[in-house]
Formats: sequence, structure tokens, C-alpha cells
Amino acid sequence: GAVVSQHPSRVICKSGTSVKIECRSLDFQATTMFWYRQFPKQSLMLMATSNEGSKATYEQGVEKDKFLINHASLTLSTLTVTSAHPEDSSFYICSATWTQASHYNEQFFGPGTRLTVL
Amino acid sequence: AQSVTQLDSQVPVFEEAPVELRCNYSSSVSVYLFWYVQYPNQGLQLLLKYLSGSTLVKGINGFEAEFNKSQTSFHLRKPSVHISDTAEYFCAVRATSGTYKYIFGTGTRLKVLA
Repeated sequence: GAVVSQHPSRVICKSGTSVKIECRSLDFQATTMFWYRQFPKQSLMLMATSNEGSKATYEQGVEKDKFLINHASLTLSTLTVTSAHPEDSSFYICSATWTQASHYNEQFFGPGTRLTVL
Repeated sequence: AQSVTQLDSQVPVFEEAPVELRCNYSSSVSVYLFWYVQYPNQGLQLLLKYLSGSTLVKGINGFEAEFNKSQTSFHLRKPSVHISDTAEYFCAVRATSGTYKYIFGTGTRLKVLA
């Protein structure tokens, strides 16, 4: 149980276009979802935390208008990279949890999405 | 605030040899500790976690880790590695109360040589 999927797994787009990445919890209702960004050979950096039905909380230094996060339902969160540029190329990973997901609210990670902006 | 340090960015080791991947953390509050493995172009898979109780934690794939509070360490060990263990390993911490945020270390690339 506790499976998280992401779509697409890979996406290539032209500079200036917008790209939407979906994160779905397949067998549970995710009250909270997280979006991470990972540069090559580096660690995961938390971008934002989203709770279902409310606005996302962004980490310091993350542009809210560039990385739009929507958590409209308990099984789906989307990350839209607006007006993408080559420096936005990265591996984006989401995770999800729910209240009472064990007493430490374990996060379950998706397989990631590789974004390449040409 | 918490921080995690993984001192070794890369660890080469021969197949069937033992390995230890080091993790040290800093925190002013109690934390939970985790080790994750990441294979190329994939997400994270939980290897093991320390929540409370016994300081020696056993995980999947023959890995284990020991929580040392006085040294603020949570080193990962395996007595005999396989080629298939080649991957990136991340140590992470999370405060036991308040935020759900995980803080990750910079990762250690384990390369198992034939």
C-alpha cells in the first residue's frame, strides 16, 4: 500500500512554455503533499508543502509565481512550471502523507519526473 | 532547525565486502532518522528508520543502522554488499513534533565493484 505515482516520468519542452507535473496517491487520501527538486548528483531540496484545499507553503527562495502548486483533491497535486527556462531543468519528486500515517506521518515518495527545458 | 551531513560523497567497495555509510545530524529537538536509497532516475525507497527504542535498526536488503545520540550519528552498514546495491543513499531527519518536513543529507553514492 501507500503508492504514489507521478506523470509524466520524463518531459522535454521549449524555453518559455509551461509544464504540468501530476502527483497522485493511488491507494490513500493524501492530506499533505510535498514537492522536491533534485539537481544532478545533489540532494533533495524541499520546494513546497501543500495541504488539500489550501494554498501551498513555499520554502524560502522558491518563486511562487513560477512554480504553481495545486492540491485540489485528496489524491492529486500538480506542479506547474510556468515559462520554463533551461535552469529549471531538474528532477522533480513528490511525496505524500496523511494524518495518522503512523505516528510519525511517514512520507511516501513518487518515482520522480525528469524535466528538460531546451 | 535540523541539518544532516553525509561526509562521503562516494564510496567504492568490492562485492561481498562490508560497507559503512556515515551520517551525522544536528538538531536542537528530538528527531526521527531515516535512510533512503535512490536508483538512477527513480524516486526514493525507504531502507530503514529510527523512531525510538532499540538503537540498532534493521532494514530491507540486509542493511542496518545504529543510532548514537551522544555522537549524533546514524551510520548505515551492510556486512556484504552486492552489485545491485550500487545506488545513491540519503540520510534524512525529521523533528518528532511540529513540522512534517524531512531534511536530507547530500547523499552518498555507493559503487560496488566486481
